[in-house]
Amino acid sequence: KAGVTQTPRYLIKTRGQQVTLSCSPISGHRSVSWYQQTPGQGLQFLFEYFSETQRNKGNFPGRFSGRQFSNSRSEMNVSTLELGDSALYLCASSKGLAGESEQFFGPGTRLTVL
Amino acid sequence: AQSVTQPDIHITVSEGASLELRCNYSYGATPYLFWYVQSPGQGLQLLLKYFSGDTLVQGIKGFEAEFKRSQSSFNLRKPSVHWSDAAEYFCAVGDSNAGNMLTFGGGTRLMVKP
Repeated sequence: KAGVTQTPRYLIKTRGQQVTLSCSPISGHRSVSWYQQTPGQGLQFLFEYFSETQRNKGNFPGRFSGRQFSNSRSEMNVSTLELGDSALYLCASSKGLAGESEQFFGPGTRLTVL
Repeated sequence: AQSVTQPDIHITVSEGASLELRCNYSYGATPYLFWYVQSPGQGLQLLLKYFSGDTLVQGIKGFEAEFKRSQSSFNLRKPSVHWSDAAEYFCAVGDSNAGNMLTFGGGTRLMVKP
């Protein structure tokens, strides 16, 4: 069974631009969560989507947004990029929303903002 | 708010030696607890999890962890470390009321000496 896939794997943008990252969950999984990983702040939760609805949101500015499609694929968007947005963005999928479901992580998208 | 502390940023052990990685959490109720491993350039892989029941949980790759409520700890152990265990290890806590959102510790980087 295919794992969680994220595209693109690497991305370079300049300040002020916007970017869209994509995550395809494991087949049958309806929950997709996004995390930002940086050396300074570590792993931080961005948001979670389940059945096309945002269920939980972390403490990030409104420049960070996301959505989920009917096939459970998810995208996250960052507008007006800042240097501090350079990070590894990880998505994770799971079957349910109960918290007990195992989450499977993708390899991440490495975003560099110049 | 829940939080997770991993006191050791780096640990170096000799191959074949035993390993213990420390994790302390702050949470009001009984948390969902997880240990993940991340190899360079990779996403996170679940090693083991604790939700309830037996406080000693077994995971993959020969790892185990023990939940100690009185100490708010969930330390990861392995009796004999292999060179392939060199990676970064993250402890995480989940909240039964917050879907699949995880709060991660800062991570412990494990190096293995031959």
